[in-house]
Amino acid sequence: AQTVTQSQPEMSVQEAETVTLSCTYDTSESDYYLFWYKQPPSRQMILVIRQEAYKQQNATENRFSVNFQKAAKSFSLKISDSQLGDAAMYFCAYRRINTGTASKLTFGTGTRLQVTL
Amino acid sequence: DSGVTQTPKHLITATGQRVTLRCSPRSGDLSVYWYQQSLDQGLQFLIQYYNGEERAKGNILERFSAQQFPDLHSELNLSSLELGDSALYFCASSPRARWPGELFFGEGSRLTVL
Repeated sequence: AQTVTQSQPEMSVQEAETVTLSCTYDTSESDYYLFWYKQPPSRQMILVIRQEAYKQQNATENRFSVNFQKAAKSFSLKISDSQLGDAAMYFCAYRRINTGTASKLTFGTGTRLQVTL
Repeated sequence: DSGVTQTPKHLITATGQRVTLRCSPRSGDLSVYWYQQSLDQGLQFLIQYYNGEERAKGNILERFSAQQFPDLHSELNLSSLELGDSALYFCASSPRARWPGELFFGEGSRLTVL
């Protein structure tokens, strides 16, 4: 079974600084997807960024970027120029590629990010 | 707005009772997923339906059941409720098979069991 591990329960960053959230996963599959979701106090699950395993290039979405190390099964999220609105719970998630129906997401336990002035 | 609609948003009930949570997926999405998020914890997968058929089961209790109807909406039934069932229940949807993208989540139904 696939597992996703987020070893940092809480992180703190000053406004305008950069922070990196860690995620490792375990899988025997070669093709899969990885995601970072953000859950603000409203509890809505918001997609931040996604990465296809077959792509060597790291995904980037504005201030958010990932460091995808397939051999090490590592998928960290870097937030640059942190803003107060970035304060939230961040979940790393894994999804295998099925030949049949679309498959579920497996989530890590989350990292709570605080942004301070 | 993800396009996934969940009702009710909040529900308070007593132990031993039964409740039904409803989910309408995004228009055209065939797959529906249910997740449970207990206080300050991650999302635990419960069950997945695809075009009316159960496709995958996670750590869903026997007291819980779900179904997906011909119009593709889904219901999660929770019975003989216990205090520990208090949680946020998310529904998510995705389109056709081999969809390469993310799941689209509703806003969740917050269940409180007293």
